Order: sequence, then structure tokens, then C-alpha cells
Amino acid sequence: DAGVIQSPRHEVTEMGQEVTLRCKPISGHNSLFWYRQTMMRGLELLIYFNNNVPIDDSGMPEDRFSAKMPNASFSTLKIQPSEPRDSAVYFCASSSGGGDLNEQFFGPGTRLTVL
Amino acid sequence: SQKIEQNSEALNIQEGKTATLTCNYTNYSPAYLQWYRQDPGRGPVFLLLIRENEKEKRKERLKVTFDTTLKQSLFHITASQPADSATYLCARGQTGANNLFFGTGTRLTVIP
Repeated sequence: DAGVIQSPRHEVTEMGQEVTLRCKPISGHNSLFWYRQTMMRGLELLIYFNNNVPIDDSGMPEDRFSAKMPNASFSTLKIQPSEPRDSAVYFCASSSGGGDLNEQFFGPGTRLTVL
Repeated sequence: SQKIEQNSEALNIQEGKTATLTCNYTNYSPAYLQWYRQDPGRGPVFLLLIRENEKEKRKERLKVTFDTTLKQSLFHITASQPADSATYLCARGQTGANNLFFGTGTRLTVIP
């Protein structure tokens, strides 16, 4: 298995632009998580999905952030408009169903820089 | 709130010694704790899980303990090697939910 795939790996954009981050979870996994990691705040959960349905989006910073999971093999995290404080590494992770003890498998992350 | 703290930002240790990392939680006890390793430029990788009713878990040179009285988990790496140098993250989870809350991590450096 290729593991969790994220694209792009690096994104540099200017303030005010729209940014879309993409994630392909591991095949057969039915939970998907979006995290943001910064030096100051560590790894923060933004939103997670079970069976393509958003379960908890309380970590989404503000209305500028939105996430979708149109099918079991694809999810997007969109920031519109982007701001310099959104600069961080964004991780997608997936896990299999069958319980709440399952380990999460992380993608390589997208390093976002907003100028 | 489900806070979890890793006291040390960084820990340096001599090769061959045992590294001990600490994870403390507040409020109610999590149903389980997970430990992850993160290398620079990569995503975290799962290492071990310990349940609330377990005192200790081992995997090769790794050992994790869970003390609900102290509200603390300790993560040990015995016979440490330079290749163990990485950031280690602990995360708390709850029954009935599969989301995790992560600590900020401890950066371990094993000096040859």
C-alpha cells in the first residue's frame, strides 16, 4: 500500500489567495483526520470524518477553512482567503474502523507558506 | 478540556542509556494513550498504545506505563541509539470516539 498520499507537498501562496490541500487515505480506512502542526501549538486536530461524514469540526479555526470528503478515497481542505498565520504543516491521517483504539496513519504533510 | 502535556521540549541522552519521556494529562482519565515518533519533514508514526486498565506495555526496546493516580504516562527507550533521535508525541483518546488529542512532543537526541 502506498500509504496516505497528500498533495502538494509544498505550497507557497500570497495572502488572500485560495489554497486547496488534497488527501488520499489508505484504501479500506473509513476514518480521515486533518491536522495542523506549528512550533507554537503542536499538532492540532482540525476536523475528522467517519465514512465520509464530518463528525467533529470544532478544531477548524474559522469560516475561512472548509473540508470535504466526497468519497472514501479523497478529501480536500480549503482555505479561502489565506492569511500569513495559516502558515503551517498540514497533515492528513486515516485509520480503519472497528473501534476507537486504532492507530492513525499519517501522510507526509503539506508545508504551507502564506506570504 | 482534554489537555495533554509533554513536559520536556528536548532531551539529550548518551547512547546506551535509557531515555524516559513524560506525558501528563489533566481532568478525566483517557481511555487510552498512544505514542508516536516523528522524524523531521515526515508525519508521525504509531509506536505503542496503552489502555487505561493496563499498567505497562512493551515492544522490543520500548516500554510505556500508564499511572492513573499520577495522571501520567512514561515512555522508555532502553539501550538508546542515535537512530532513536526524533520527536516523540503522546496522544490521548476516549472510548466511543476515534479522534486523538496530541501533546506538543519531546525532541530526543541520542549522542554517540
